[in-house]
Amino acid sequence: AQKVTQAQTEISVVEKEDVTLDCVYETRDTTYYLFWYKQPPSGELVFLIRRNSFDEQNEISGRYSWNFQKSTSSFNFTITASQVVDSAVYFCALRKGSGDYKLSFGAGTTVTVRA
Amino acid sequence: NAGVTQTPKFQVLKTGQSMTLQCAQDMNHNSMYWYRQDPGMGLRLIYYSASEGTTDKGEVPNGYNVSRLNKREFSLRLESAAPSQTSVYFCASSESGHAAYGYTFGSGTRLTVV
Repeated sequence: AQKVTQAQTEISVVEKEDVTLDCVYETRDTTYYLFWYKQPPSGELVFLIRRNSFDEQNEISGRYSWNFQKSTSSFNFTITASQVVDSAVYFCALRKGSGDYKLSFGAGTTVTVRA
Repeated sequence: NAGVTQTPKFQVLKTGQSMTLQCAQDMNHNSMYWYRQDPGMGLRLIYYSASEGTTDKGEVPNGYNVSRLNKREFSLRLESAAPSQTSVYFCASSESGHAAYGYTFGSGTRLTVV
């Protein structure tokens, strides 16, 4: 069985602060993929990043960075110098490397960035 | 624009009424999915179709039925709506040939059952 846990329900920060979103996952598969999605107030789901289980390199994309640590089954997401437009619900998700390709989502973390 | 189209965007039903949520994708994806989103629970899989002609139950299938009409279309039916089915419903599709591909989501249907 697969499980994704996002322990932080809500995070509120002031603009320009950094914010880190935690994601811990459980899976028995050796090959799997991890994802982050953003859901802004408009409601659509926006793909942010994909990481496979064999690639533990951290990744940076602009103000976004991701820290994948297989040893702790974590795939954390940091927004540096947050902006009001970063206010959204962020979901971490897990997918098996083969088979039915279902995505298992965490409960989501609501990030509010105050001006 | 290529993507996943869901209709309707909003719907209010009375308890016991039935309705079908429509979903179509134009990316030639093999797999399609229906999720529901409830506050504090993330997205939960209702049904999925790994390929045309197949459908399988997900995590929360009770009270729903699905039809994979063809490769493009995957509909979700509520036969007798209940207030517990008030939710936001998302359809998604993916290329099943490689698990590295994420999903493309539709814009969602906000359903209220009164």
